[in-house]
Amino acid sequence: SQQGEEDPQALSIQEGENATMNCSYKTSINNLQWYRQNSGRGLVHLILIRSNEREKHSGRLRVTLDTSKKSSSLLITASRAADTASYFCATATQGGSEKLVFGKGTKLTVNP
Amino acid sequence: DAGITQSPRHKVTETGTPVTLRCHQTENHRYMYWYRQDPGHGLRLIHYSYGVKDTDKGEVSDGYSVSRSKTEDFLLTLESATSSQTSVYFCAISGDGYYQPQHFGDGTRLSIL
Repeated sequence: SQQGEEDPQALSIQEGENATMNCSYKTSINNLQWYRQNSGRGLVHLILIRSNEREKHSGRLRVTLDTSKKSSSLLITASRAADTASYFCATATQGGSEKLVFGKGTKLTVNP
Repeated sequence: DAGITQSPRHKVTETGTPVTLRCHQTENHRYMYWYRQDPGHGLRLIHYSYGVKDTDKGEVSDGYSVSRSKTEDFLLTLESATSSQTSVYFCAISGDGYYQPQHFGDGTRLSIL
């Protein structure tokens, strides 16, 4: 069963614009993680936010978490063509992060 | 990049044949995972291991078995492959600790005709 659902399913923007992707989930979580997947490759971990945190930054990435709304957002600022990829949220709902449940992803296209 | 190698990278086989996929890590991580990725379903956990000879089922474990006889190797076996098991299979690893990210291999594309 899918825990996280990303929105939108697909997003197309111009280089230099910001990209925002959202993730909603259903049950209480221990932490939420965002991953990127380039075409034909494995997933790459971007950022982890714990349930008691509200916001985290990493370079051009900003993640927010609202546990009352059971939602998270990933913001990529000043996007580049190299940011073109699929982005997935994953939730850890028990113990630590050994059982992640992934959403179906947002496909981001950044046009040069 | 985390030292994870999946083999083979591509395989085509026939329904009813046994198939074994291998995941090898050089990071000495405790946890290893097998996922499948299908259009419209995202990534789903098949089985995972939390140590040598210690494994547990994931969301879609029916039709799959796993083994881990050494820290560095995690094998996924389809005893009698079916067309519904055509998919891209990913191995992942993670270390000990409450808030550990997972690191993924580049996948095995398996086609069952």
